[in-house]
Amino acid sequence: GDSVTQMEGPVTLSEEACLTINCTYTATGYPSLFWYVQYPGEGLQLLLKATKADDKGSNKGFEATYRKETTSFHLEKGSVQVSDSAVYFCALSGDNQGGKLIFGQGTELSVKP
Amino acid sequence: GAVVSQHPSRVICKSGTSVKIECRSLDFQATTMFWYRQFPKQSLMLMATSNEGSKATYEQGVEKDKFLINHASLTLSTLTVTSAHPEDSSFYICSARVRGGASYGYTFGSGTRLTVV
Repeated sequence: GDSVTQMEGPVTLSEEACLTINCTYTATGYPSLFWYVQYPGEGLQLLLKATKADDKGSNKGFEATYRKETTSFHLEKGSVQVSDSAVYFCALSGDNQGGKLIFGQGTELSVKP
Repeated sequence: GAVVSQHPSRVICKSGTSVKIECRSLDFQATTMFWYRQFPKQSLMLMATSNEGSKATYEQGVEKDKFLINHASLTLSTLTVTSAHPEDSSFYICSARVRGGASYGYTFGSGTRLTVV
């Protein structure tokens, strides 16, 4: 079935460092891809999304490009801040799932001052 | 934007009692809601899909008699954990699919931390 695989955390970075969190997926058809962020004790917030190949989602300095050839949707940010510390989830939704989101395992990011 | 309000945010209950968690869509109609469970340091596990006016669809391994889902209106879905036990302690999150033109997204409630003592 469809699945999402993320790089394992935790990831610890210094402030202003570059961030890449890898995400690859397996799916039939043309799924939509999402990145969600979860701050401690809270629900999930949509960070960005892309609905077709080569689309680039961006928000708050984060970017991810839908790469169908490599089945990837890596999350990047050029300069992280302490406030970016959270857990990041890659997810997909396709025609086969009846509207369900399939989540990766999550990657915890910790940014130190 | 589309908002889902989830209550309560935290609840502590005794073993054997039941707990109801509510999710309301505040400015849109949610024909479908999804209920997730999240253990510490883990991803979200889909428990069931709730459809307005019909029975919920449960994922494999989820006890439908223990986790009762009701979606009686287009703006309210509830999850009741019946006869709760300490192993039911977890973070429960609801989500609604939001449709809008050619694209769509999902909006999540803020979650409910359930502790069974």
